[in-house]
Amino acid sequence: SQELEQSPQSLIVQEGKNLTINCTSSKTLYGLYWYKQKYGEGLIFLMMLQKGGEEKSHEKITAKLDEKKQQSSLHITASQPSHAGIYLCGADSPNAGNNRKLIWGLGTSLAVNP
Amino acid sequence: DTGVSQNPRHKITKRGQNVTFRCDPISEHNRLYWYRQTLGQGPEFLTYFQNEAQLEKSRLLSDRFSAERPKGSFSTLEIQRTEQGDSAMYLCASSLAPGVSGYTFGSGTRLTVV
Repeated sequence: SQELEQSPQSLIVQEGKNLTINCTSSKTLYGLYWYKQKYGEGLIFLMMLQKGGEEKSHEKITAKLDEKKQQSSLHITASQPSHAGIYLCGADSPNAGNNRKLIWGLGTSLAVNP
Repeated sequence: DTGVSQNPRHKITKRGQNVTFRCDPISEHNRLYWYRQTLGQGPEFLTYFQNEAQLEKSRLLSDRFSAERPKGSFSTLEIQRTEQGDSAMYLCASSLAPGVSGYTFGSGTRLTVV
């Protein structure tokens, strides 16, 4: 079955520093989603990537999907305390048919020190 | 439309009691999903509706769990005879057809079984 591996598991950075979180799949990704979660809260949608080589940006966050569609990265430029939280990558399960339920990585916990 | 709404936000119940959670999806989204998330883990798929039809139910969902979406709008998730292992965050998400948009999650219902 397909699995998503996220790295690193946790990250502590100084405010203003750049950082990258990776999400790797054992199989081709048909839809890759990045979400942010604050502790005890729901998931906030960040970006959706579908095409090999696709790149999307929103404010200081950029997400990329590689050409082979097996790896995605999330890059935050000039991090701020508001970026702190858990970042989760999710992917459409290729075996789900039209149901398209998501499979998930375990998340990357980000702390940004002021 | 303010997004996906879940009620209650928190629920504490005694073991053996029944609980019911409600999810109001984005009105134009015909697809609705329930996930369960425990600390340090990504969400686990529980069940999926397309309009009022429940099209898939995870093997994780024992007979004590039942979900409905009677008119293709809001959905309820009921857990009968709760056990301590049911303690988790229950997340609801809605979406349009696959690939059209991302999945929008609610803030979740945190269940604690004592």
